Amino acid sequence: DTAVSQTPKYLVTQMGNDKSIKCEQNLGHDTMYWYKQDSKKFLKIMFSYNNKELIINETVPNRFSPKSPDKAHLNLHINSLELGDSAVYFCASRGANEQFFGPGTRLTVL
Amino acid sequence: GNSVTQMEGPVTLSEEAFLTINCTYTATGYPSLFWYVQYPGEGLQLLLKATKADDKGSNKGFEATYRKETTSFHLEKGSVQVSDSAVYFCALKVGSQGNLIFGKGTKLSVKP
Repeated sequence: DTAVSQTPKYLVTQMGNDKSIKCEQNLGHDTMYWYKQDSKKFLKIMFSYNNKELIINETVPNRFSPKSPDKAHLNLHINSLELGDSAVYFCASRGANEQFFGPGTRLTVL
Repeated sequence: GNSVTQMEGPVTLSEEAFLTINCTYTATGYPSLFWYVQYPGEGLQLLLKATKADDKGSNKGFEATYRKETTSFHLEKGSVQVSDSAVYFCALKVGSQGNLIFGKGTKLSVKP
């Protein structure tokens, strides 16, 4: 069983479109995250959710909005996509001793 | 504030060579320290960790020792393999509810 899963794995879209990336964890964790990894592999935390409450927003543009329908899901919705949004986006959930990462979604904005 | 600095890559080694990837940190309080590995096309996986000074984390032949006096957590492996080619991230966490703070990552390429 996959602990943290994301869909889609690849997403290619035009500038100005709105898109969503889904994330699900089956570990029973309370806290989930979204990270952005740029072309230089630098990881930046975007959001974390604890029991459906947003507890961190690291200066991310408000075009990005996390949505958590329940504890096991944290989806990322992006409005008006820009070229600079092209990156790999990782979902993660936090356990007692480590974070578990999803396989990533490679977003390409044309 | 809290931060992690790790050596810039890429690092290219021949198979069976000795590996060191340097990592130093700045933290308020007493952090836990981690090394994560990202294989090509995959997400990050925990490689090893240490939660207090002088602890040594180890896994898959990799080791790192939590050195409080030098604020370091260098990653080492005695004999690397081609399958170790990946990006390695040093990270810290302050407090049980703290978030991970990552270094910029070091890409390792091992040639046969």
